[in-house]
Amino acid sequence: NAGVTQTPKFRVLKTGQSMTLLCAQDMNHEYMYWYRQDPGMGLRLIHYSVGEGTTAKGEVPDGYNVSRLKKQNFLLGLESAAPSQTSVYFCASSYRQNNQPQHFGDGTRLSIL
Amino acid sequence: SQQGEEDPQALSIQEGENATMNCSYKTSINNLQWYRQNSGRGLVHLILIRSNEREKHSGRLRVTLDTSKKSSSLLITASRAADTASYFCATDATGYSTLTFGKGTMLLVSP
Repeated sequence: NAGVTQTPKFRVLKTGQSMTLLCAQDMNHEYMYWYRQDPGMGLRLIHYSVGEGTTAKGEVPDGYNVSRLKKQNFLLGLESAAPSQTSVYFCASSYRQNNQPQHFGDGTRLSIL
Repeated sequence: SQQGEEDPQALSIQEGENATMNCSYKTSINNLQWYRQNSGRGLVHLILIRSNEREKHSGRLRVTLDTSKKSSSLLITASRAADTASYFCATDATGYSTLTFGKGTMLLVSP
């Protein structure tokens, strides 16, 4: 079992470029999440999904879009990257039932120049 | 806004000592969870305590929850250098399907 896999692990973009971060989980989890982690800010929720074909906004959704076309995949898109989006991005997944932990990938380190 | 806030922000101890981290939160919760993050890695779930529980143990970890004070503590006994990491509390607030994470406590355990 791979758990939660994030692709790519590192990326450098120029301002205005677009890219998509991929998250894949093999645990048959219903829920999936995208977070960003910045120094001194902890983890902040960007978007999440409670099932295939559904998405919802989190705490800091502006500048990002997401899609969940397949249950095992959750994509995070940056349409026009900005330096403020330089961060470490984490994907997580969990079962739907109450009182379930989240399982995290190892992150994507993204720098916007 | 952040639901959970950890205290202290950083903690430095010697191997063999106990480490205590605290978490305060603001609203009613279904459960509170603690996670560990090693440098350059993702978060790993340590322990979950439900709102109707007061104390829970897992190996060298002991978590307490006081819902009247809206606070929790994580105790790591007999710390090892391998316990060096950041520790986060996360709250599962009533009526929500997401967790809210605090800013974390950085623990350094020196040999």
